[in-house]
Amino acid sequence: GEDVEQSLFLSVREGDSSVINCTYTDSSSTYLYWYKQEPGAGLQLLTYIFSNMDMKQDQRLTVLLNKKDKHLSLRIADTQTGDSAIYFCAERKRGSTLGRLYFGRGTQLTVWP
Amino acid sequence: DADVTQTPRNRITKTGKRIMLECSQTKGHDRMYWYRQDPGLGLRLIYYSFDVKDINKGEISDGYSVSRQAQAKFSLSLESAIPNQTALYFCATSDSGESNSPLHFGNGTRLTVT
Repeated sequence: GEDVEQSLFLSVREGDSSVINCTYTDSSSTYLYWYKQEPGAGLQLLTYIFSNMDMKQDQRLTVLLNKKDKHLSLRIADTQTGDSAIYFCAERKRGSTLGRLYFGRGTQLTVWP
Repeated sequence: DADVTQTPRNRITKTGKRIMLECSQTKGHDRMYWYRQDPGLGLRLIYYSFDVKDINKGEISDGYSVSRQAQAKFSLSLESAIPNQTALYFCATSDSGESNSPLHFGNGTRLTVT
C-alpha cells in the first residue's frame, strides 16, 4: 500500500497490556517512530527503532519490527489511564527528502479504570 | 515541546480572509515543517524547508504559502481562507545533523474558517 496503516481505535482495561499495530510502506525505510498525542497538545516522540533492529525496549514500551512484513507494533505494559491518547506510527523512507516523515492516521487508545 | 512555539493557539476567521500562522523555535534546528491534522486522516505535510533559501511543497500545498524569514521562524499563510481549511495545524523541526533526526512538534494552532 501507499499509506501507513493503523487501526483507528483500541480499548483496554487499566493494568492490561496494549498492543498498537502499524503497517508501513517502504521495506527500505531507515527509521520507524511512535508518537503520542494527548488532548490539546502536539505530538510527543515516544520511541523509535532503526531498521536493522528487531526489537527495542524502553521501560513499559516494547517496539517490535518485522521488516519482511513491513509491520511495526508498540506494546505498552501495565497500561494506565494516563496512557489514553492518540498514537501515531511514522516512517522515514530511504532517501526521504529533507528528513520528512510519513504518518499513519493514528490509533485512539482508551484505557478504562 | 516548549522549544517550538506556535501562535496563535486558536483562530476563528471568515471565508476569504487572509491569515498567517507563525512558528518559532529555539532548538537551533535547520529543518522546519508545516503539517495539517484532520480527524481520522492523520497528519499531512503542507510545506517544508531546509533553510531560509529552501522551500518545498508537501502533498497538500494548494491554497497555502510559507515564508522562512530566519532559521528560527517559519510562517504559514492562507491567502483566502475557505471552510475546508478548518483543521489543526502543526509546526515541527528536525536537525539534519542527527542520524535519527526525529521531528519535534509545537502544540498546534486550531483554525476554524466560517
